[in-house]
Amino acid sequence: KAGVTQTPRYLIKTRGQQVTLSCSPISGHRSVSWYQQTPGQGLQFLFEYFSETQRNKGNFPGRFSGRQFSNSRSEMNVSTLELGDSALYLCASSRSGETQYFGPGTRLLVL
Amino acid sequence: EDQVTQSPEALRLQEGESSSLNCSYTVSGLRGLFWYRQDPGKGPEFLFTLYSAGEEKEKERLKATLTKKESFLHITAPKPEDSATYLCAVQASGNKLVFGAGTILRVKS
Repeated sequence: KAGVTQTPRYLIKTRGQQVTLSCSPISGHRSVSWYQQTPGQGLQFLFEYFSETQRNKGNFPGRFSGRQFSNSRSEMNVSTLELGDSALYLCASSRSGETQYFGPGTRLLVL
Repeated sequence: EDQVTQSPEALRLQEGESSSLNCSYTVSGLRGLFWYRQDPGKGPEFLFTLYSAGEEKEKERLKATLTKKESFLHITAPKPEDSATYLCAVQASGNKLVFGAGTILRVKS
């Protein structure tokens, strides 16, 4: 069974730009969660989508948004990028929210 | 507020030298405690889920245990390939995971 895939794997952007990251969950999984990982803050929850609806949200500014499509694939968007947004963005999928399986992540560098 | 504290921050072992990693937590209404392994530049790899105090799970050289306030990840006779960052996370309300900072394990041959 294929695992969680994320694209792109690496991104370099400049301050003020926006970025869209993509996540394809494990087949049959309907829940997709997004996390930000930085050396200083560790892994922090961004939001969770289930059946195209945002079900949970973390404490991140409104510049961070997401959506989920009918095939459970999810995208995350960050607008007006700041230097502090440089991080590894991880997507995790689960059948309905219990054990979550992570993808390889997208490493974003903001210059 | 849900909180997870892992100790030690880093651990260096000789091959074959068994040890334990600690994960203490405060959470209202624990739904599950999870252990993950993360290699540099990769996403966390799922290891175990524990649901209630007294539960134990094993996989190769790893054994995870859970009490009402903490979890331990016991590593028996570790090998260099066990070197990684081990992450503990709790799941309470909603489905979000709250992670600890991790323990960096280095096993030398």
